[in-house]
Amino acid sequence: EVVLTQSPGTLSLSPGERATLSCRASQSISSSYFAWHQQKPGQAPRLLIYGASSRATGIPDRFSGSGSGTDFTLTISRLEPEDFAVYYCQQYGSSPYTFGQGTKLEIK
Amino acid sequence: EVQLLESGGGLVQPGGSLRLSCAASGFTFSSYAMSWVRQAPGKGLECVSTISSTGVNTHYADSVKGRFTISRDNSKNTLYLQMNSLRAEDTAVYFCAKVGLKSYFDYWGQGTLVTVSS
Repeated sequence: EVVLTQSPGTLSLSPGERATLSCRASQSISSSYFAWHQQKPGQAPRLLIYGASSRATGIPDRFSGSGSGTDFTLTISRLEPEDFAVYYCQQYGSSPYTFGQGTKLEIK
Repeated sequence: EVQLLESGGGLVQPGGSLRLSCAASGFTFSSYAMSWVRQAPGKGLECVSTISSTGVNTHYADSVKGRFTISRDNSKNTLYLQMNSLRAEDTAVYFCAKVGLKSYFDYWGQGTLVTVSS
């Protein structure tokens, strides 16, 4: 099973700042099978990024993904108030599909 | 518009059973794999089970193997999760998710809460 470890656990930033979230895999995975999801309290997750760097439909271009092998990054260029949420990375290249434990992005 | 609506959650005693349903609309249900993902209170996400578009192929997390059964009825655009021998650690919100053609989870339902307690 591929274990995904996200860092930091909590990130405190202000609106307008840049956010960088990391996800490290226990073994190399194809970037074609890596995603990021956003979840707000009481809501379902929402797909942000798939294939490591492709934005899902309707996702603003301030969200970008990068990485390969075992290290992947989600960057939010300028934080908007609605971006404060929990972010999960996910690999879907090998079964079982697994998620990271999440990074909580909170308002400083 | 893609919509996924889960139902069937509730309070059940340890050792009991429950069947979850996920009604899908807004896309050709029979063309896509589907998954169940759960989230224990205050915890992260765990992919519990996945089923292929035809229903022939299924996969389960080790934590539920032998106790849960995923199925689908493409004529009714509905996904199911039969949960038997439920344990306290199965307590979670259960989401159904549509699996896109390149295998990523592109749409999620709002979830249904399952509570296993005496």
